[in-house]
Amino acid sequence: AQSVAQPEDQVNVAEGNPLTVKCTYSVSGNPYLFWYVQYPNRGLQFLLKYITGDNLVKGSYGFEAEFNKSQTSFHLKKPSALVSDSALYFCAVRGATDSWGKLQFGAGTQVVVTP
Amino acid sequence: NAGVTQTPKFQVLKTGQSMTLQCAQDMNHEYMSWYRQDPGMGLRLIHYSVGAGITDQGEVPNGYNVSRSTTEDFPLRLLSAAPSQTSVYFCASSYSRGGGNTGELFFGEGSRLTVL
Repeated sequence: AQSVAQPEDQVNVAEGNPLTVKCTYSVSGNPYLFWYVQYPNRGLQFLLKYITGDNLVKGSYGFEAEFNKSQTSFHLKKPSALVSDSALYFCAVRGATDSWGKLQFGAGTQVVVTP
Repeated sequence: NAGVTQTPKFQVLKTGQSMTLQCAQDMNHEYMSWYRQDPGMGLRLIHYSVGAGITDQGEVPNGYNVSRSTTEDFPLRLLSAAPSQTSVYFCASSYSRGGGNTGELFFGEGSRLTVL
């Protein structure tokens, strides 16, 4: 069975500092990995994905994520955080051969960026 | 394009009442799904559909029914609401498997349901 772990309920960072949001996963076979962001009272917005190829994936709003197969991780990063990055971030995974409907989400990590 | 549209945005029900959450998408996506979001639990899949006339259960299907008579619409029905169904519900859609599609979901804005 596939699963996703986001070990931190909340990440606090000062504006201008690097931001990292952690995600580890478990799937059978090759993973399809996604990051989404949710602003208050809004739906989830797609940030980036890893399917195959380069382990460093670049996405929207200056975010990037690094796929590490040996550590089964897909951490989200931003070199310099902004106050406007404060939001709830979700990691999601699907195995390449899994049912298309079975996208598994983590519990989410609240990011708080202080001025 | 409007994307994924959910109605209503807010609803209060009494225990035992029934209601339908509406979801429509205008992107010609074959795949549609319903999730519920609860604090500390992320998003959990309720039901999904890979095309008109085809539906399947997700992780937490009990107490919910769905149907998919058209590509555009995927309503979620609560037959007899219970307080445990108090949650925020999200509808999502994507292109189906194949053709190089990778299945990232497009989400609606959510429907907040309270069952008293």
